[in-house]
Amino acid sequence: DVKVTQSSRYLVKRTGEKVFLECVQDMDHENMFWYRQDPGLGLRLIYFSYDVKMKEKGDIPEGYSVSREKKERFSLILESASTNQTSMYLCASSSPGQNAYEQYFGPGTRLTVT
Amino acid sequence: AQSVAQPEDQVNVAEGNPLTVKCTYSVSGNPYLFWYVQYPNRGLQFLLKYITGDNLVKGSYGFEAEFNKSQTSFHLKKPSALVSDSALYFCAKSRAGSYQLTFGKGTKLSVIP
Repeated sequence: DVKVTQSSRYLVKRTGEKVFLECVQDMDHENMFWYRQDPGLGLRLIYFSYDVKMKEKGDIPEGYSVSREKKERFSLILESASTNQTSMYLCASSSPGQNAYEQYFGPGTRLTVT
Repeated sequence: AQSVAQPEDQVNVAEGNPLTVKCTYSVSGNPYLFWYVQYPNRGLQFLLKYITGDNLVKGSYGFEAEFNKSQTSFHLKKPSALVSDSALYFCAKSRAGSYQLTFGKGTKLSVIP
């Protein structure tokens, strides 16, 4: 089975801190995604990557950046955390080709910014 | 305009009754459509997908979905609901020219014993 792990289940940070959320997948997937999930808004795509050192903006990239130095790891960075970034963050991965749309999700990181 | 709409925030159904969770989508070419489920405090799990072919798609845990092109709908169904089906369900649509998905806002399903 594909396994996507995220570094923390719960995280509490202060406003202005730099925050790193880590995601690792063990199935050699090319594609990786970062979403945030908010009640009533569903999942919104922040950034995605189709290859190492490649990144593309999603629908809500403002206030975030990403890093993909290795194929299995995709990091989401909040340069200066703000209270409106309090949310559930979900990482996902998928393989290329026919099953590329079948995304596998990690358990999520619930981030609280105070 | 919302690309994927789930018109019901919450659906309540009695255990053993059939359930339907609704999803409609905006038309753009020939989209691929998906259903995901999220159990409490867990990530999303893939349930089923429609790519092409038979309009009735079968997936995990006894769920199925019916693709209706004329109504631009992809409703999730199950003949007999279980209490363990209680979860948050998301409909998703592929975006043309990329591997991205657009998700609906989710529908909370509660199956009452």
